[in-house]
Amino acid sequence: GIQVEQSPPDLILQEGANSTLRCNFSDSVNNLQWFHQNPWGQLINLFYIPSGTKQNGRLSATTVATERYSLLYISSSQTTDSGVYFCAVGGSYIPTFGRGTSLIVHP
Amino acid sequence: NAGVTQTPKFQVLKTGQSMTLQCAQDMNHEYMSWYRQDPGMGLRLIHYSVGAGITDQGEVPNGYNVSRSTTEDFPLRLLSAAPSQTSVYFCASGTGPWTNEKLFFGSGTQLSVL
Repeated sequence: GIQVEQSPPDLILQEGANSTLRCNFSDSVNNLQWFHQNPWGQLINLFYIPSGTKQNGRLSATTVATERYSLLYISSSQTTDSGVYFCAVGGSYIPTFGRGTSLIVHP
Repeated sequence: NAGVTQTPKFQVLKTGQSMTLQCAQDMNHEYMSWYRQDPGMGLRLIHYSVGAGITDQGEVPNGYNVSRSTTEDFPLRLLSAAPSQTSVYFCASGTGPWTNEKLFFGSGTQLSVL
């Protein structure tokens, strides 16, 4: 099956710093999504981005499908950005998730 | 309130017991799914449904049953609980597993099997 690797596994920032999270995948895929899980366990989807670049406020994502990676950028980080960021990839109905990047933003 | 209602929040079972995790949504979504999340891992898909009467297996379906008799409800049944099923379970609904729109998740069920 598809292998998904996320880096770094852990990240600690001061409020206001910028960061880049990476998702590498082992095979070509038609779908890629980024998720955020807050410290209380609540999950939300951030971006559906099988290719190209999208931006939503301080967050943006870029996927280069031909090179099998995606990047999630967080600018001017806030404490509410803390949590775990997952990418998931797949061809149809069954996504494969990475292990996530755990982000802690200190005030 | 619109959203996904998942119950119970916590459950402790003994090996061999059965139980049903409930999931309901009031947004008329065709797509619903169940995931499990183990420590330090991402989510793994157990079962999913693309409409009433239609279900299919995900990545880790063994030991679990689902049915979809209505658009609103998608219960997950553990037939004979095993310690390997200790996990956090999430239900989700939306327009599909891959979407630009919001994918709604329940608040999770923490299940321990002793």
